[in-house]
Amino acid sequence: QQQVKQSPQSLIVQKGGISIINCAYENTAFDYFPWYQQFPGKGPALLIAIRPDVSEKKEGRFTISFNKSAKQFSLHIMDSQPGDSATYFCAARDQAGTALIFGKGTTLSVSS
Amino acid sequence: GAVVSQHPSWVICKSGTSVKIECRSLDFQATTMFWYRQFPKQSLMLMATSNEGSKATYEQGVEKDKFLINHASLTLSTLTVTSAHPEDSSFYICSAGGDGYEQYFGPGTRLTVT
Repeated sequence: QQQVKQSPQSLIVQKGGISIINCAYENTAFDYFPWYQQFPGKGPALLIAIRPDVSEKKEGRFTISFNKSAKQFSLHIMDSQPGDSATYFCAARDQAGTALIFGKGTTLSVSS
Repeated sequence: GAVVSQHPSWVICKSGTSVKIECRSLDFQATTMFWYRQFPKQSLMLMATSNEGSKATYEQGVEKDKFLINHASLTLSTLTVTSAHPEDSSFYICSAGGDGYEQYFGPGTRLTVT
């Protein structure tokens, strides 16, 4: 049973455009929602994360929007750049010290 | 963010031999470390969770006698793939967490078994 569903599987965006990746979760006990960026042959890097007590968090060009009632959260990449081309994973966990549950990933390609 | 290292970054071994992969948290104490496996173009699959000084907890379907995990200190965890076979070839990634919610990943180890 997949607890975190991520879409789309792949995404192509023009340089300067907005990239949007969505995730939905089922477990209402989840209370930490990070996004990771992974380049080929590298480990995932923590990009941005949110707790459910806020509806939005912004760090530079990256924004997480969180909808607790809908059990959904999304990553918005503003002014997308070719260097943003990577695989993005959403994740969730229900308490510190437990493993993250990952979505299946989204491969983003930003065309110049 | 915190730094997690892995060694080696890639390794080639012959079928039937054992390989040890080290995971270190360089600038924080990792109370919990996790080992993941990733196949090409797929998501991360959790193999096991380890806490310092205690036995690792393995996910269903992961052979504990084949994938030996040791978390001897707050900065070091090791994964030993015993009697490796070609189907064990994969990208192995560790992650480490402290007392907070953040979890930081190592750069990964590419294992190829010939």
